[in-house]
Amino acid sequence: QSALTQPPSASGSPGQSATISCTGTSSDVGGYNYVSWYQQHPGKAPKLVIYEVNMRPSGVSDRFSGSKSGNTASLTVSGLQAEDEADYYCGSFAGNNNFLFGGGTKLTVL
Amino acid sequence: QVQLVESGGGVVQPGRSLRLSCAASGFIFSSHAIHWVRQAPGKGLEWVAVISYDGTYKHYGDSVKGRFTISRDNSKNTLYLEMNDLRVEDTAVYYCARGSRLWWTFDSWGQGTLVPVSS
Repeated sequence: QSALTQPPSASGSPGQSATISCTGTSSDVGGYNYVSWYQQHPGKAPKLVIYEVNMRPSGVSDRFSGSKSGNTASLTVSGLQAEDEADYYCGSFAGNNNFLFGGGTKLTVL
Repeated sequence: QVQLVESGGGVVQPGRSLRLSCAASGFIFSSHAIHWVRQAPGKGLEWVAVISYDGTYKHYGDSVKGRFTISRDNSKNTLYLEMNDLRVEDTAVYYCARGSRLWWTFDSWGQGTLVPVSS
């Protein structure tokens, strides 16, 4: 199975919103509501920011939101702040006890 | 607070073996599935393996199946990854990550341990 497809980069100005897409197939993103998103700053471990498509863990800013339509999931970061600049990875359960990540998107706050 | 600390990384030659450990604290270790996820230098994340809360079920990614073995010792709150027949392409930072109640969300991560495979 191939990795999920994410754009290599995204950007937005402070205070604006940025949306990152994550495209899979009906065997992964489209077939299950186990899509999650991870934020990773340089040299640091990933951090969960969205799980089960649109659920936000305790302690994660409500500026982070998730959605899904068909085989494509999306992460939206609203009210962009400098600290949001990081790499973002989507991930999805892919059936048969397998899990796929996307290739990652570098979010730049202009 | 939840803490996961990996150890055991280091330079290893192709074809050799290495065992990684992940020491857990701050939560009931025996209640959670635990995963290994790796990241090659400058690359994205790759799921490696998962083990159920009691060690009964183990599943692996295609690239490591047959070479890597995941295990756990709930009496020691420790997870392991036995890596055999290592290849240059196994070079990565290896993270352990706690699975959520439904397994397939990684809700806490360790800081990672680097495994360079090189002759």
